Amino acid sequence: AQSVTQLDSHVSVSEGTPVLLRCNYSSSYSPSLFWYVQHPNKGLQLLLKYTSAATLVKGINGFEAEFKKSETSFHLTKPSAHMSDAAEYFCVVSHFNFNKFYFGSGTKLNVKP
Amino acid sequence: DTAVSQTPKYLVTQMGNDKSIKCEQNLGHDTMYWYKQDSKKFLKIMFSYNNKELIINETVPNRFSPKSPDKAHLNLHINSLELGDSAVYFCASSQEMAGWNTGELFFGEGSRLTVL
Repeated sequence: AQSVTQLDSHVSVSEGTPVLLRCNYSSSYSPSLFWYVQHPNKGLQLLLKYTSAATLVKGINGFEAEFKKSETSFHLTKPSAHMSDAAEYFCVVSHFNFNKFYFGSGTKLNVKP
Repeated sequence: DTAVSQTPKYLVTQMGNDKSIKCEQNLGHDTMYWYKQDSKKFLKIMFSYNNKELIINETVPNRFSPKSPDKAHLNLHINSLELGDSAVYFCASSQEMAGWNTGELFFGEGSRLTVL
């Protein structure tokens, strides 16, 4: 069975400060992990993905995530938040054939000026 | 030239009506999906088609019927709409390479269905 838990439903940071969005996963197999971002009234866009290559994955817009098997975590980070980062972020787990994607419940990121 | 487009974007209707949402992708992808996002933003897969063939059919009421006339289109028809069907429905597509799904989903902008 596969599932994802996003530990914070809301995160609020000030512009220019670091961002940390936490995700823990559960998977019976070697997982593939993704982070997607959803801006208001928009579809989801892939930020980055881990598929058993390098454990530190770099994505778009300065985001990165580190796969830690021992902690079953895939936290999303960014060194310096920008106002345009305010959005909903989803952590997603899938199996190797990717036919099923399991979404976390989302973390809403608020960026204060 | 939107990659994954859905119509309509907004749909308001009465309980008991039948409605359809259409989805088209111009990315040449092999696999298409329907996801439902509820009011708490939780996303759940409903259906997945690969080259017009149904490959995933999650626990969805029979009132929901997907149709894929070709691999670029995946439509969703809903009969006898209920209040609980109110949600945002997302269409998505993904590509295969060497027989394996690449794992990246491309989403449409969603169709917000409100049942009164």
